[in-house]
Amino acid sequence: EVQLVESGGGLIQPGGSLRLSCTASEFTVSDNYMSWVRQAPGKGLEWVSLIYRGGITYYADSVKGRFTISRDNSKNTVYLQMNSLRAADSAVYYCARDLGSPRDFWGQGTLVTVSS
Amino acid sequence: EIVLTQSPGTLSLSPGERATLSCRASQSVSSSYLAWYQQKPGQAPRLLIYGASTRATGTPDRFSGSGSGTDFTLTISRLEPEDFAVYHCQQYGSSLYTFGQGTKLEIK
Repeated sequence: EVQLVESGGGLIQPGGSLRLSCTASEFTVSDNYMSWVRQAPGKGLEWVSLIYRGGITYYADSVKGRFTISRDNSKNTVYLQMNSLRAADSAVYYCARDLGSPRDFWGQGTLVTVSS
Repeated sequence: EIVLTQSPGTLSLSPGERATLSCRASQSVSSSYLAWYQQKPGQAPRLLIYGASTRATGTPDRFSGSGSGTDFTLTISRLEPEDFAVYHCQQYGSSLYTFGQGTKLEIK
């Protein structure tokens, strides 16, 4: 069964760092384009970052320079390194495969709360 | 970046009625790379439509997508009780993906 399991969320102080993980089962992350999407409480979806099969990465303007997406092929895992966190970064973070394609698939999300 | 504006913000209808949801882009969406998602409380979004008009696997045929360029529409022909949810449009025609702010479809 295809699965995406996010982990690494939690409570962090403003200015702190956190690394989210997204581990895939039954498919290979490096064969797909993988995204992070977030949703603040009661708000809409916001695309955060994307890593293509070839390793090229893209970021939303709101996180560029602070967040880094990467993957470890040996662990079949995608990461989101989040630095200089702000209250506005508080959200459920979803990992997703091949957004907008027939192979579109989402994890259940991990909650990040940035607060002192 | 391409800004997507969904309207209305909230749509109140009764089961059996027809729902029409709009998604307007600030610039043309390349190759109609526009998707629609349904999201229910506490759940991850679920893909309904991709390529502006192609139903994803498992999407009932009462859901249809149309449009091109900057104007896109999701239509639900006859609302079922399970259709009341939040609907998001998303463009993936540029490498900087974006979502609309969502339309909440509620029971009248």
